[in-house]
Amino acid sequence: AAGVIQSPRHLIKEKRETATLKCYPIPRHDTVYWYQQGPGQDPQFLISFYEKMQSDKGSIPDRFSAQQFSDYHSELNMSSLELGDSALYFCASSLAGRKSSYEQYFGPGTRLTVT
Amino acid sequence: QQQVKQSPQSLIVQKGGISIINCAYENTAFDYFPWYQQFPGKGPALLIAIRPDVSEKKEGRFTISFNKSAKQFSLHIMDSQPGDSATYFCAASKSGAGSYQLTFGKGTKLSVIP
Repeated sequence: AAGVIQSPRHLIKEKRETATLKCYPIPRHDTVYWYQQGPGQDPQFLISFYEKMQSDKGSIPDRFSAQQFSDYHSELNMSSLELGDSALYFCASSLAGRKSSYEQYFGPGTRLTVT
Repeated sequence: QQQVKQSPQSLIVQKGGISIINCAYENTAFDYFPWYQQFPGKGPALLIAIRPDVSEKKEGRFTISFNKSAKQFSLHIMDSQPGDSATYFCAASKSGAGSYQLTFGKGTKLSVIP
C-alpha cells in the first residue's frame, strides 16, 4: 500500500539559511499534519491542513510557514534556521471522515541538521 | 504541563514475556487514544487505537486497556519478541474543526532480550 512520502530524507543547512520540506500524503488523504521530533523526544505538533486550508496551529515558530497545494501535497518552509531547529520532521496524513479522521499515518521523516 | 504522561521510560522484558506500558491523560476532551511504534530513524507507525466507549481492544499480541474514570490506558504486548524492541508512544487526540492533532507521551524504549 502507498505510504506518505517525504523529501528530502536528509538535509544539512547552515545557520540563517532556509529549508523547504515536502510531503506527499497517502492517495485520497486530504489532511496533512507536520510534527517536529527532537533527539530522544516525542513528536510535537506544528501545523495541520485540511482541504488546502490551515486547520490548526501548534508550537510552530514564526520563522516557519507551510501550505497545502491543490494536489494535497504540503511544504514546510523554514527560514533563518537556528541550531535548535535540528530535528526529525514528520508529515502525517489522514482521510477526513467520522472514524478515519483520527487515524494518522506518518511518513519516514526528514532529518534536518543545522550547522 | 505534560498532557499525556507515560511510564516507564524504559523497559526490559525477556522473550515470551508480557510488556506493559502505562499512560495517563489530563484533558477529558480527548476521545481517541492510539499507540505508535517507532524504530530508530523511522516514522511512528500506528499500532492500535481505542475510543473511550470501550474498555479493551485486542489486535493480535497487542491489547489496549482503557479506564475512563481513572483517565488511564495501557498497552500490553503478549509473547514479546526481540523484533518488538522499539520506542512506543501513547498519544491522545480530540475532535476539532478539521484537525485531530496528536499529543504524545514521552515514549517508552522497550528492549526484548532473547
